[in-house]
Amino acid sequence: DIQMTQSPSTLSASVGDRVTITCRASQSLNSWLAWYQQKPGKAPTLLIYKASSLESGVPSRFSGSESGTEFTLSISSLQPDDFTTYYCQQYKSFPITFGQGTRLEIK
Amino acid sequence: EVQLLESGGGLVQPGGSLRLSCAASGFTSTNSAMSWVRQAPGKGLEWVSTVLSGGDTFYADSVKGRFTVSRDTFKGTLFLQMNSLRPDDTAVYYCAKISHGYPYYWGQGTLVTVSS
Repeated sequence: DIQMTQSPSTLSASVGDRVTITCRASQSLNSWLAWYQQKPGKAPTLLIYKASSLESGVPSRFSGSESGTEFTLSISSLQPDDFTTYYCQQYKSFPITFGQGTRLEIK
Repeated sequence: EVQLLESGGGLVQPGGSLRLSCAASGFTSTNSAMSWVRQAPGKGLEWVSTVLSGGDTFYADSVKGRFTVSRDTFKGTLFLQMNSLRPDDTAVYYCAKISHGYPYYWGQGTLVTVSS
C-alpha cells in the first residue's frame, strides 16, 4: 500500500500570506496525485489533479508541484475563504489513500 | 449537470447491516467508475471501495469481507451493502464519480452511526 504523509496537520497564517502544504508518498506516484479542499459539513472539492494541473474554475492562487515523492500545494495571497481543511490523495494504485489533512487557520 | 444523492444512512446496532444508495443523474453511471469514501466525525477522509466501469471491485482492508459495492445498471444507482457493522464504521459516507482515476463529483454524504 502507498502511504501518504501530509504536513503540517495545522497551519496558522494571515490573510495575504503565502502557504505551502506538503505530502510525501512512500513510493513513486508518476504524478497521480490530487489535492482537495473541504469546508465543514461539505464534501471535498477538487483543486489540483495530476500533481500540478489546476482544476477548471479554481483560483490561480492555488498551485501544485512535485519533486520525486514529495508533493506541495501552495496558496499565494490567502483569502478569507481559504481557511479550511486540505487533503492530498494518491490514485496511482489501490488502495487509494489520502493524507491526514491540513487545517489552515487564521493567525 | 451531474448529481449524486446518497441515502440509506441511519442508526444501527453493532453487528447490524445497512445498505446505502447513491442515485446518479447527469451522466451514464454504468460507464463510470464510482467510489465510496467515508469520514468519521472530526477525522480525515478514508477511501472505502471502488467499482470500475467494467465491474471490477476494490475494497479497503478495513471493510473487506463485510462491505459489498454494486450497481443497478438500469436505474443508474450505486449501492454499498454494509454487514457486521462496528462502531468504528461510524462516518459520513460519500459516493463519488471517478474521473481519470480520482474522485471528481461528490454527493452530499449520508451519516451512518453504529451504536447500541
